[in-house]
Amino acid sequence: NAGVTQTPKFQVLKTGQSMTLQCAQDMNHNSMYWYRQDPGMGLRLIYYSASEGTTDKGEVPNGYNVSRLNKREFSLRLESAAPSQTSVYFCASSEQAADNSPLHFGNGTRLTVT
Amino acid sequence: GNSVTQMEGPVTLSEEAFLTINCTYTATGYPSLFWYVQYPGEGLQLLLKATKADDKGSNKGFEATYRKETTSFHLEKGSVQVSDSAVYFCALNKGAGKSTFGDGTTLTVKP
Repeated sequence: NAGVTQTPKFQVLKTGQSMTLQCAQDMNHNSMYWYRQDPGMGLRLIYYSASEGTTDKGEVPNGYNVSRLNKREFSLRLESAAPSQTSVYFCASSEQAADNSPLHFGNGTRLTVT
Repeated sequence: GNSVTQMEGPVTLSEEAFLTINCTYTATGYPSLFWYVQYPGEGLQLLLKATKADDKGSNKGFEATYRKETTSFHLEKGSVQVSDSAVYFCALNKGAGKSTFGDGTTLTVKP
């Protein structure tokens, strides 16, 4: 079982460049999430999609956009990268957007913006 | 808003020692509580969960009990192994399954 797959694993961008982080899950989960992980700050929610066709902002959405392409795929786009977006990005999914549903994570994308 | 406070690390123990990592939370109502573990270069994995007061979650020798009266969910293991070295995150879910995470506690177990 692949679970949650993220691409790429590593990326270096120059300030102002754009890129899309890809995420796909094969568990038939309804809900998908994007988090960023910064040292000493835990994980912070960027955007989420409770179900196919819906997306909502999380705690730190500025500078990002998302697309729920279908039930399996949820992409994160940086339109104009900034050094403050240097981070490790994790995609996650859950069976449903319910409090008792745990998250299943991908292995992350390490992004550096110079 | 919701928040999770974890015991600051890093924590270093000898093999077979007893482990406690403290976690307290602030939330309205009754959140679900989780512990996740992260190994180097990987994403977080669910370790255990509890969805109501007095529930005990357990997995791989780890345990945590949902204490509503003290708003706590402390992680314990009776005898740690070198392979338990990782970063541990406490988290709560409240409101459409959105998770709030603690800052993580790094555990190193020495042989």
